[in-house]
Amino acid sequence: EPEVTQTPSHQVTQMGQEVILRCVPISNHLYFYWYRQILGQKVEFLVSFYNNEISEKSEIFDDQFSVERPDGSNFTLKIRSTKLEDSAMYFCASSEALVPYEQYFGPGTRLTVT
Amino acid sequence: RKEVEQDPGPFNVPEGATVAFNCTYSNSASQSFFWYRQDCRKEPKLLMSVYSSGNEDGRFTAQLNRASQYISLLIRDSKLSDSATYLCVVNRGSGSARQLTFGSGTQLTVLP
Repeated sequence: EPEVTQTPSHQVTQMGQEVILRCVPISNHLYFYWYRQILGQKVEFLVSFYNNEISEKSEIFDDQFSVERPDGSNFTLKIRSTKLEDSAMYFCASSEALVPYEQYFGPGTRLTVT
Repeated sequence: RKEVEQDPGPFNVPEGATVAFNCTYSNSASQSFFWYRQDCRKEPKLLMSVYSSGNEDGRFTAQLNRASQYISLLIRDSKLSDSATYLCVVNRGSGSARQLTFGSGTQLTVLP
């Protein structure tokens, strides 16, 4: 069964450093997403991406965040200058183009900012 | 009012029991509805989409009441492996069709 993969599984970084989280969506999916989940809290939408551009983003997705599809398989989330409050689990997801847009999630990257 | 509201539980039930989860959502423009399950520190996994006419997948039955903005999930003959947090998820509506809003989840423990 095809699945979304993410690397690394765990990233530790110092405050102010840049991090790049990587995802490989399911191969025939056209829509890609990033969500985050702070420990003990609910899953929150960050951004959706289609046809090489952002289609929707939340208030959380401010100027320190960016996304990119650098090649035909990878989808990345960059955090330019990490803050302590960026510590969370970051999930990548992908979906086909059809309603109801069922989204399939990767295993996540746990980001710890010290 | 929270966008998606669920009873946090926990629900502790014996194997074989039937358990029901309820969820309400505030955005009347939402068009897509889902139940996901999440095991501890793992990713959300899609359990089922929820359709207006209600739908069933094995032991799982989902219902949607658009007028009341209410979604339910029924699990029959519960198994130990059903122990997880069940997440009610809706999209934000036609202008944000793919932006999913998650509830905080209802924790289920199935006891031997």
